[in-house]
Amino acid sequence: NAGVTQTPKFQVLKTGQSMTLQCAQDMNHNSMYWYRQDPGMGLRLIYYSASEGTTDKGEVPNGYNVSRLNKREFSLRLESAAPSQTSVYFCASSSGLPTDTQYFGPGTRLTVL
Amino acid sequence: AQTVTQSQPEMSVQEAETVTLSCTYDTSESDYYLFWYKQPPSRQMILVIRQEAYKQQNATENRFSVNFQKAAKSFSLKISDSQLGDAAMYFCAYRTRSGNTPLVFGKGTRLSVIA
Repeated sequence: NAGVTQTPKFQVLKTGQSMTLQCAQDMNHNSMYWYRQDPGMGLRLIYYSASEGTTDKGEVPNGYNVSRLNKREFSLRLESAAPSQTSVYFCASSSGLPTDTQYFGPGTRLTVL
Repeated sequence: AQTVTQSQPEMSVQEAETVTLSCTYDTSESDYYLFWYKQPPSRQMILVIRQEAYKQQNATENRFSVNFQKAAKSFSLKISDSQLGDAAMYFCAYRTRSGNTPLVFGKGTRLSVIA
């Protein structure tokens, strides 16, 4: 049981390049989330998907797109990376029930030069 | 909008001693959940403890306990018998009970444990 997995673990991009961060969960969870973590800022929600086929913006969605490919997978795409998107990105999932807990992946450290 | 405030950016504690991390939140909801997550240097986010707002009894998990004061909107974490492995960033988080709402995090408290 792998829980929540993310790829890649590290990535360096040049300004203007694009890339997709991948996330998958094997816990049959309905809800999935993308957060970014910056020093002194805690974790801020980028996008989330309450269930397969739905996505909603979070606190900081600008510059990102997401795809809920199926129940297991939720990807985050940067179309034209900017230095302000240098951050650690976390994917999380939860069952969606009122008593649920969010489980986090190991994170992706992204640097945009 | 809900907000979570952790007023202590850094704390330190001697090994085997007790430390309390503070968290306050702002919400107009009456039913919600509160969490403490631990993030060690490995970056992995680990759930430490969870509290349901409708429960008056404070949650406890081994050496970790909370002091939940609903009227004051306060949710502090007490770590007893601190161990070197407790050194980490600790994040307080909130979510409403209704719907599939995401977590709202505080900015974190970095805890150092001194041997």
